This record gives sequence, C-alpha cells and structure tokens, in this order.
Amino acid sequence: AQKITQTQPGMFVQEKEAVTLDCTYDTSDQSYGLFWYKQPSSGEMIFLIYQGSYDEQNATEGRYSLNFQKARKSANLVISASQLGDSAMYFCAGRWEAAGNKLTFGGGTRVLVKP
Amino acid sequence: EPEVTQTPSHQVTQMGQEVILRCVPISNHLYFYWYRQILGQKVEFLVSFYNNEISEKSEIFDDQFSVERPDGSNFTLKIRSTKLEDSAMYFCASKSEYEQFFGPGTRLTVL
Repeated sequence: AQKITQTQPGMFVQEKEAVTLDCTYDTSDQSYGLFWYKQPSSGEMIFLIYQGSYDEQNATEGRYSLNFQKARKSANLVISASQLGDSAMYFCAGRWEAAGNKLTFGGGTRVLVKP
Repeated sequence: EPEVTQTPSHQVTQMGQEVILRCVPISNHLYFYWYRQILGQKVEFLVSFYNNEISEKSEIFDDQFSVERPDGSNFTLKIRSTKLEDSAMYFCASKSEYEQFFGPGTRLTVL
C-alpha cells in the first residue's frame, strides 16, 4: 500500500532562515503526484506546491520549493526566508494513479518560526 | 480567486443525531472529496465523488455516512447517527487537473 512518512514531528527555525521538511513515500507506481499543504492554527488546509512523478524539474512556488529525489522516494519541502506567518503544521500528501484520486497524508511536521 | 466553501464552520450535536455538512466546490471542478482529521491526527480520506456517484470510499465511510450532490453546486456529507468518535474536522475538497483544493473545514463535536 502507498504510504507517506514525515519523520520530523516538530521543528524550530529562525526567522529569515531556510527550513527543510522531510517527506518520503513508498509506492511501486510509476505515475503519482506529491503535494504539500500548510495547516495554520485556524485549521484550514492551504495547498502549497505540487510535483508530478514525471516532472523533470523540481517544483517551485515563490518561497516554496520541492526537492524531488525520485530514486530515494523523497519529496522534501524547502521554505526559504522563513516568516513568522510560516508557523503552522505542514502535511505531505501523495496521489497514486493506481489507487484512484484520493490523497494519502503523512503525519505532519509542526514548524515554529522564532523571531 | 475561486475557493471551496463549507458550512457550518462548527457543528455541535448530540450522540445519535443526524448531521449534514455542506460544501460548495469550485464551480468548474468535477471531482469532489470528503476527508476528516481527528484532533491531533493526520488527515484521512473518506470518499470521492465523480459524475454523480461515489468513485471510491475508505473503510471509515460505512453505512452511517452518505454523500449527495443535490443540485449543481452543493455537495453534502450526511452522518446518520453520530457517535462520539465522529468528532473531527471534516474537509471538503475539489479537484482541477492535479491539485485538490480544500475548504476551510467543519469542526464537528459530538457530545
């Protein structure tokens, strides 16, 4: 079965510094997509970035970039120049073509940005 | 920018009561989903809906749950007889080509 693992339950980062959030996945599928979502304390799920398994370039969206290493089955999120508003829970999720369109989520990483 | 909306934002109910959670997906999306997140836990898939029928459901989505698209805009999740363990945040999502966009969630509290 497909699985997403986030090994960092929580981390601190200094404001203006970069932070990397780890995500590994387990699948035998060739076609899949990887997502990152941000969940602030208010509870909503905010889509951040998407990487397709066939994409040759690493995805970037503003201060977010995804370090996609297919052979290692990892899809780490890099947040550059952290801001206080980045303090939130971050979830990695995967969608596997063989498993339909549903998202499978990891356990999340809580990020706290220190001033 | 179009967004998924959900009502109510918070629902408190007594055990055994029926609840209906409502969602308005993004208008040109064709795939709709319900997920739930028990407090402090990961987000779990409940059901996906396409072309006016359920395309996939999880083990959580038992006979107590049902979904409907009663008109061209609303997408509802009904829990027939709520249990204490149904207390959670329920998210509706709709999909464009790749991304699933989530609504703000409905926090359901079962007393």
